[in-house]
Parts: sequence; structure tokens; C-alpha cells
Amino acid sequence: KNQVEQSPQSLIILEGKNCTLQCNYTVSPFSNLRWYKQDTGRGPVSLTIMTFSENTKSNGRYTATLDADTKQSSLHITASQLSDSASYICVVSALRDSSYKLIFGSGTRLLVRP
Amino acid sequence: NAGVMQNPRHLVRRRGQEARLRCSPMKGHSHVYWYRQLPEEGLKFMVYLQKENIIDESGMPKERFSAEFPKEGPSILRIQQVVRGDSAAYFCASSPLLTQENTEAFFGQGTRLTVV
Repeated sequence: KNQVEQSPQSLIILEGKNCTLQCNYTVSPFSNLRWYKQDTGRGPVSLTIMTFSENTKSNGRYTATLDADTKQSSLHITASQLSDSASYICVVSALRDSSYKLIFGSGTRLLVRP
Repeated sequence: NAGVMQNPRHLVRRRGQEARLRCSPMKGHSHVYWYRQLPEEGLKFMVYLQKENIIDESGMPKERFSAEFPKEGPSILRIQQVVRGDSAAYFCASSPLLTQENTEAFFGQGTRLTVV
């Protein structure tokens, strides 16, 4: 069964601190993996997208890693800011028979406190 | 280039009424995906459409729900005879060609349906 599991479910950190969010998946065949940020009441916004051959990708203070062998990904946030408070969603896409499907994790809710 | 536009942003319906949610994809995008997000939960896939075709509706409830993406105009998610359990945020995403490995999907701001 195609699944995407994220941990932790929620996380509280102090402003300025770093944090790492985890994503494990069992999706097959794997096409790519994305991390989205979803602010409360808004639609998800893409942070990074990585294909099978990419191990790491950065977008400002966000750095995503991918280990396609162990089917794990992480999102590292450096020097957190209050505006980082949001849900972070790991999304894996499977391309099968010309049908392109995004499989969502349940997200990690991050709260950054001053 | 406007992003994915969903309307209305908020929709209130009484039990038994019909709800129509609209999604206009980004310019040049011919693929639309609908997702449902229940309170405190993640996004769940409902249906994937290409212009005039339903590609994958494996996440769509068998009854009361239907979706279309006509040649002209927005994609429509239609919920007939709504019940309280249909209350959720419904998000639409669009993308261009589906076969490119880095194909990006962009989301709209969602429609929040409340059934009273």
C-alpha cells in the first residue's frame, strides 16, 4: 500500500533554533518527493522537489534530504522564525500508467515561539 | 500569471442541499487534482482530471460526489445532498504535462465547506 508517514506530528521550538522533520514512504514506483508548507487556512506551497537521483536540495533556510534506498526524507529548518509556524507536508508522487498521483503525509505541525 | 483560483472561499450549505466548488487552473495547466482536508487531518486525494477526462477517481466517494473538467471553463467538484460529514476544506491543484519528473503542482487557497 502506498503510504507516507511523517514525524513528529507536532513540534514546538523557540525562535532561532533549528529543527528536523522526518518523512518515510513506501510509495512505488517513486517519481519524486516534495515538501510543502501549509499556513493555517491557506493552500500548500511547494518548498522543494527532489527526484530519485537527488540527495539534498536547499531553499533558503530549508534543506531537504532524500535517501531513496531507505525511502526516507528529512526537512531541516535553520534559524527558525515565527513565520515558520505552519504544517509541513511530505508528498511523494508515483507515476504509473501515465497516471500521476500525489500521496500526502498527514504533516508535521510546527509552532515557533518567541 | 494568476495562480490556481478557487471559489467560493467559504460555502455554507444546509443538509440535503448541493454544493458546487470551482477551480480555475493556472494558465497553461491541463491537469487538475482535488483533495479534501478534514479538520486536524492531512490532505486526502479525491480525483485527478485532465481536460474532458477523469484519469483517476479512486479517492472519490461512490455516491453524491462528482467532478468534471470541461473543455472550456473551470473544473467543478459537485456534492449532492450534503451531510455534516462533508464539512471540510477542499483544495484544488493544477499542473502542466504529467510525464515530466519535476512536474510542479500548484494549489489554490481552498474552499471551506460548512454543512449546517
